Amino acid sequence: QKEVEQDPGPLSVPEGAIVSLNCTYSNSAFQYFMWYRQYSRKGPELLMYTYSSGNKEDGRFTAQVDKSSKYISLFIRDSQPSDSATYLCAMRRASNTGKLIFGQGTTLQVKP
Amino acid sequence: DTAVSQTPKYLVTQMGNDKSIKCEQNLGHDTMYWYKQDSKKFLKIMFSYNNKELIINETVPNRFSPKSPDKAHLNLHINSLELGDSAVYFCASSQEGGQGDSGANVLTFGAGSRLTVL
Repeated sequence: QKEVEQDPGPLSVPEGAIVSLNCTYSNSAFQYFMWYRQYSRKGPELLMYTYSSGNKEDGRFTAQVDKSSKYISLFIRDSQPSDSATYLCAMRRASNTGKLIFGQGTTLQVKP
Repeated sequence: DTAVSQTPKYLVTQMGNDKSIKCEQNLGHDTMYWYKQDSKKFLKIMFSYNNKELIINETVPNRFSPKSPDKAHLNLHINSLELGDSAVYFCASSQEGGQGDSGANVLTFGAGSRLTVL
């Protein structure tokens, strides 16, 4: 069993929809939780990060962490065709700086 | 001005050959990484260097040898290439330090080097 599980999709939604992306994990030592976006043939770019539990909002994006359930989510409001990409969750322990454990990534397509 | 740049972007070679990938970052970060992304888009860390010192060395065949001549450069040399080495190799960098919410040690990735072994 992988440390981080993420449904690879693909997920297809109409423009303007609210998108919910999720990951579950097994290691209770994880303290930092990130979401990266990867366009085709490009490197991952950081969207948001959260330390420990709680919510964080940035424009149309909201990240949620529920450590008690070992579950993290990324919500995208008013989705746009330009949001079409692969979304990777990643997490790490407080001590393991830089050693990110990634989910497999969810491929999202937003149709105009 | 590219923050983390890798060369080459594409590499096609025969089994058994030796090849190198180079990476440079101009962000002033003190830590650099090599990650491997397989055909299912699963990203996994291979190596990490902090100020030229190897600090993470995952279970990687010793045919893979990283080298960091200075903290802005990290190269990856692969000997005796095998079919299973075909993947996209990403270089990344970050600045260590900080605690709590300021200690995320956010990684900046390069565009990747796509290696195909025939």
